[in-house]
Amino acid sequence: QQQVKQSPQSLIVQKGGISIINCAYENTAFDYFPWYQQFPGKGPALLIAIRPDVSEKKEGRFTISFNKSAKQFSLHIMDSQPGDSATYFCAASHMEYGNKLVFGAGTILRVKS
Amino acid sequence: NAGVTQTPKFRILKIGQSMTLQCTQDMNHNYMYWYRQDPGMGLKLIYYSVGAGITDKGEVPNGYNVSRSTTEDFPLRLELAAPSQTSVYFCASSDAGLGVYNSPLHFGNGTRLTVT
Repeated sequence: QQQVKQSPQSLIVQKGGISIINCAYENTAFDYFPWYQQFPGKGPALLIAIRPDVSEKKEGRFTISFNKSAKQFSLHIMDSQPGDSATYFCAASHMEYGNKLVFGAGTILRVKS
Repeated sequence: NAGVTQTPKFRILKIGQSMTLQCTQDMNHNYMYWYRQDPGMGLKLIYYSVGAGITDKGEVPNGYNVSRSTTEDFPLRLELAAPSQTSVYFCASSDAGLGVYNSPLHFGNGTRLTVT
């Protein structure tokens, strides 16, 4: 099943709070899980990515948590800032599927100052 | 470095008209993709190409055609436009050579198309 389910559809967080976006998948062959960030009027850009051999990856205020047994992964944005307001997409791919990413539906994040 | 450039940025078509969305990249990437983005639906792959002269269908290819005569250019052709093709179209490229299949996608800024 080439599908990735993302929630919530939209999220409002106060400045300084933690933003959490969740994704789930069915195909256990998936072995690469990136998150893309998209600002209005722009194309998505890679934010952070993880492979299933680790349970967590952190880059600055952004952390991916990965639960292989539950087939779930999530993005945590610590100390959320108004500049983080954007649409976030999770995605997945596997070697036999080449570099063709399957994207989640997206989460619109708004950080209130 | 321009990256991935898409033209036009906006276009309104009447039902039944045709048009070509242009995409060019200056990063010498082998892999190129066309996605469409609809609200609440994420990005759906329309067509992709692994190199000049090689193209293949993605998830939602119906109503579209592509060609890849050069490494740089990957135009998307809409024939007989329909309201269901109203969307934002994104072109992307990646350097997935040497077995590095999980190279990041580099996206253009999109073409917003309305079919009425």
